[in-house]
Amino acid sequence: ILNVEQSPQSLHVQEGDSTNFTCSFPSSNFYALHWYRWETAKSPEALFVMTLNGDEKKKGRISATLNTKEGYSYLYIKGSQPEDSATYLCAFINAGNMLTFGGGTRLMVKP
Amino acid sequence: EPEVTQTPSHQVTQMGQEVILRCVPISNHLYFYWYRQILGQKVEFLVSFYNNEISEKSEIFDDQFSVERPDGSNFTLKIRSTKLEDSAMYFCASKQRRDSNQPQHFGDGTRLSIL
Repeated sequence: ILNVEQSPQSLHVQEGDSTNFTCSFPSSNFYALHWYRWETAKSPEALFVMTLNGDEKKKGRISATLNTKEGYSYLYIKGSQPEDSATYLCAFINAGNMLTFGGGTRLMVKP
Repeated sequence: EPEVTQTPSHQVTQMGQEVILRCVPISNHLYFYWYRQILGQKVEFLVSFYNNEISEKSEIFDDQFSVERPDGSNFTLKIRSTKLEDSAMYFCASKQRRDSNQPQHFGDGTRLSIL
């Protein structure tokens, strides 16, 4: 059984704060790590797909890093805005090509 | 932008009845998936489907479950003789190629409530 863990489970920040959260995953048989942003009553939306150790990807104020040797990825949000409030999911892919999800980090940004 | 669509958005069914959850994947996508999330738990993989066959399935996907692509556009999940513990959000996803560096595109989900 693959174990993908995310921390913290939830996070409350003020508008303008920068924040980060962690995804840990098995370091063996790694193919890719996906980050999704999931707003209530909507579909999960792909943010990043990360495949190489040391990868860093950025989309606007959101960025992510990857360490496949130690089995973790960080997601950073710079200058959080209320519209960033959502659940952020990471998902690990091995040779089987199906996503194994973490439990998510629920971010709430207060104006 | 093309979307994965799922119907119905909410299904309420008596225990023991059969349900069919429907999905229309993005039109040029070839790989299809079903996931579910029981309230308060992680999103779990159920099954993947390619070229009219199941590619992989999890332990959850037992004989009670089946999938079908009946007409080249719909992708359905059938649950026979539903149980209370089948209550969950069910998500369909699709992608164009098998590459692990391609994201899966998800629908909005069907909330299944078994009474």
